[in-house]
Parts: sequence; C-alpha cells; structure tokens
Amino acid sequence: DAGVIQSPRHEVTEMGQEVTLRCKPISGHDYLFWYRQTMMRGLELLIYFNNNVPIDDSGMPEDRFSAKMPNASFSTLKIQPSEPRDSAVYFCASSLQRDRKYEQYFGPGTRLTVT
Amino acid sequence: DQQVKQNSPSLSVQEGRISILNCDYTNSMFDYFLWYKKYPAEGPTFLISISSIKDKNEDGRFTVFLNKSAKHLSLHIVPSQPGDSAVYFCAASATGGANNLFFGTGTRLTVIP
Repeated sequence: DAGVIQSPRHEVTEMGQEVTLRCKPISGHDYLFWYRQTMMRGLELLIYFNNNVPIDDSGMPEDRFSAKMPNASFSTLKIQPSEPRDSAVYFCASSLQRDRKYEQYFGPGTRLTVT
Repeated sequence: DQQVKQNSPSLSVQEGRISILNCDYTNSMFDYFLWYKKYPAEGPTFLISISSIKDKNEDGRFTVFLNKSAKHLSLHIVPSQPGDSAVYFCAASATGGANNLFFGTGTRLTVIP
C-alpha cells in the first residue's frame, strides 16, 4: 500500500489567498483525521471523519477553515482567506477501527507558509 | 487546555545508554496510550501502545510503562541508537468514546554516537 498521500508537500502563498490541501487515505480505512503541527501546541486535531461523515470539527480554529470528504478516497482542507498565523505543517491521517486498535497512519504532511 | 503533556522538549543520550521519555495526562477517561516517532519531513509513525489494563508493554528495545494513579507514562529505549534520534509524541485516547487521539507537544531525542 502506498500509505497516506498528501499534496502538495509545500505551499507558499500570500495572505488573503485561498489554500487547498489534499489527502488520499489508505484504502479501506474508515477514519480520516486532519492535524496541524506547531511548535507551541504540537499536534492539534482539526477535524475527523468516519465513513466520509464529519464527526468532530471542534478543533477547526475559525470559519476560514473548512474540510470535506466527498468519498472514501479523498479529502480536502481549505483555508480561505489564509493568514500568516496559519503557517504550519498540516498532516492527514487515517485509521481502521478494528480490534480496539487506535493506531493512526500519517501522511508526510504539507508545509504551509503564508506570507 | 493540553490534556497530554510532554514537559521535556528535548533529550540527549549517549549511544548504548537508556533513553527515558516522559508523558503526563490529565483526563482520567484516557485508557489507551500510544507513542509515535517522527523524523524530519515525514509524518509521525506508530511505535508502541499500551492499554490501561496493563502497566508495561515491551517490543524489542522499546518499553512503555503506565502508572495510572500518577497519570504518567514513559517510553524506555534500551540500548539507544543514533537512528532513534527523532521527535517522540505521546498520545492518548478514551476508547469508550470517539476514535480521536490527543497528542503531546513532543520530545526531541538526540542519540550521540
């Protein structure tokens, strides 16, 4: 399996622009998570989906952030408009809830820089 | 509020010695704990886990200890190798609830050859 795939790996944009991050989870996994990593707060959960349905978006910082999962093999995280404080590494992860195992498999991340 | 805390941002250890990484949690509902390792420019990868019904889980050079009364867990790496140099994240989950994990801020381990 190719693992979790994220694109782009790096994104540099100007303040006010729209940014879309993409994720392809591991085939067959029924949970998908979006995280943001910062030095101050470590890995923060933004939102997660179960069977393509958003379950908890309480970690989404503001209305500028939105996430969708139109099907089991694709999800997007959109920031509109972007701000310099959104600069971070964004990770997507997927997991299969089975046998009480909670391991999540992470993608390589997207490093976002907003100038 | 950070429910999982790793109070040591960094740790340096000589090759061959023991590395001990610590983690504290505040939520008594957490009953499953995991450690992830992260290399630069890569996503975190699962390392080892422990259920609250146990106080120790061992996998090769890696052992996780859980002290429920103290709400504390630790990861021991023996012997430490240069390839173990990475950022280690502690994570916790309440299995009776949602499937999400709560992560600490990470500890950067450097193993000196």
